[in-house]
Amino acid sequence: DAGITQSPRHKVTETGTPVTLRCHQTENHRYMYWYRQDPGHGLRLIHYSYGVKDTDKGEVSDGYSVSRSKTEDFLLTLESATSSQTSVYFCAISESEGTDHYEQYFGPGTRLTVT
Amino acid sequence: SQKIEQNSEALNIQEGKTATLTCNYTNYSPAYLQWYRQDPGRGPVFLLLIRENEKEKRKERLKVTFDTTLKQSLFHITASQPADSATYLCALVRVGGNNRLAFGKGNQVVVIP
Repeated sequence: DAGITQSPRHKVTETGTPVTLRCHQTENHRYMYWYRQDPGHGLRLIHYSYGVKDTDKGEVSDGYSVSRSKTEDFLLTLESATSSQTSVYFCAISESEGTDHYEQYFGPGTRLTVT
Repeated sequence: SQKIEQNSEALNIQEGKTATLTCNYTNYSPAYLQWYRQDPGRGPVFLLLIRENEKEKRKERLKVTFDTTLKQSLFHITASQPADSATYLCALVRVGGNNRLAFGKGNQVVVIP
């Protein structure tokens, strides 16, 4: 999986609790992304980062925040988890220097269940 | 609004035949289009990229075409094998940069031995 790990891989949590998912890369890529994948919706971008401390919202960012204090780590936080945030979360990375390919490399995913 | 459409019905195909998937898009003017493969329980894996000035791209048994007039890409798997069974996603680069992609919902392929 192109040097990308996600933790935890599975998590069950209760409504209203905060949850943090971690994405770690060893590729030194500039761009990092958080997606959620749900049946009938496909992959939807939550937030992304274009450098250390540089982040921006994606198409489904409500209820989520992110932080990137180091190149290799991108954290996704659900401040107060809701059942609608039950999903599979994927982290992805991409590089831009010396390429115009824009292909993304995905982590193994985190399955989050909010009860 | 921008849309990327892939067939929601699974494609069942006999081993050895050619599987053809379609990706249609509206309100995009992508410089290029990508295809990914996703197996159950795993993240998508990049397969191919085709640029707007390329009509066709091949990689081993995979072939992709890109028609910017029709706003359509076709993805072919020739001599299909059971190991090709997976969901295939098309993706376009989003306007605004930062390497952001917009993905279709994917199309499942089932290769029957």
